[in-house]
Amino acid sequence: DAGVIQSPRHEVTEMGQEVTLRCKPISGHNSLFWYRQTMMRGLELLIYFNNNVPIDDSGMPEDRFSAKMPNASFSTLKIQPSEPRDSAVYFCASSLREGSNQPQHFGDGTRLSIL
Amino acid sequence: AQSVTQLGSHVSVSEGALVLLRCNYSSSVPPYLFWYVQYPNQGLQLLLKYTTGATLVKGINGFEAEFKKSETSFHLTKPSAHMSDAAEYFCAVSAGYSTLTFGKGTMLLVSP
Repeated sequence: DAGVIQSPRHEVTEMGQEVTLRCKPISGHNSLFWYRQTMMRGLELLIYFNNNVPIDDSGMPEDRFSAKMPNASFSTLKIQPSEPRDSAVYFCASSLREGSNQPQHFGDGTRLSIL
Repeated sequence: AQSVTQLGSHVSVSEGALVLLRCNYSSSVPPYLFWYVQYPNQGLQLLLKYTTGATLVKGINGFEAEFKKSETSFHLTKPSAHMSDAAEYFCAVSAGYSTLTFGKGTMLLVSP
């Protein structure tokens, strides 16, 4: 079975450019999560959706970040304009349903470098 | 509020030795606990989870963890380390209506 699929795997761009990260969750999963991983701050939850609706976006660092989930099989995380401090690995994860006992399944991440 | 503390950012063992990775949690309500493993350039992979029931939980690749409420701990063990176990390991907690809170991670180094 296909896992969580993220694209691109690597992205290098100059500061000020718009960046769009994409995620396809596991089919049938109703909850989707976006995380950011850095050496300094570890793994941070940015936003999560349940049934395509954003539930908690308190982790989104600032207005330059936005996320959408137009349907059950696709989500995007957009940064506009991008800054060097946004460089990190961004992970998407999905779980079968909402609930604190539900394990999350992670994609392989997008390694983002902002020059 | 909930939190996770992983003692030791790096743990080194010899191949064949016991692996012990420590995790302590804080939660005001009964927690659900998870261990994840991350290999280089990959996402996190679920090793095992404790939700309810038996406090000794067995996972993939020969790992197990024991939930000890009195010690607020969920340490990860494996009787005999293999070179392929070298990776970063994350403990995570969730409780009530909250999402997962991850620890800072422990890098396991295995020497021949």
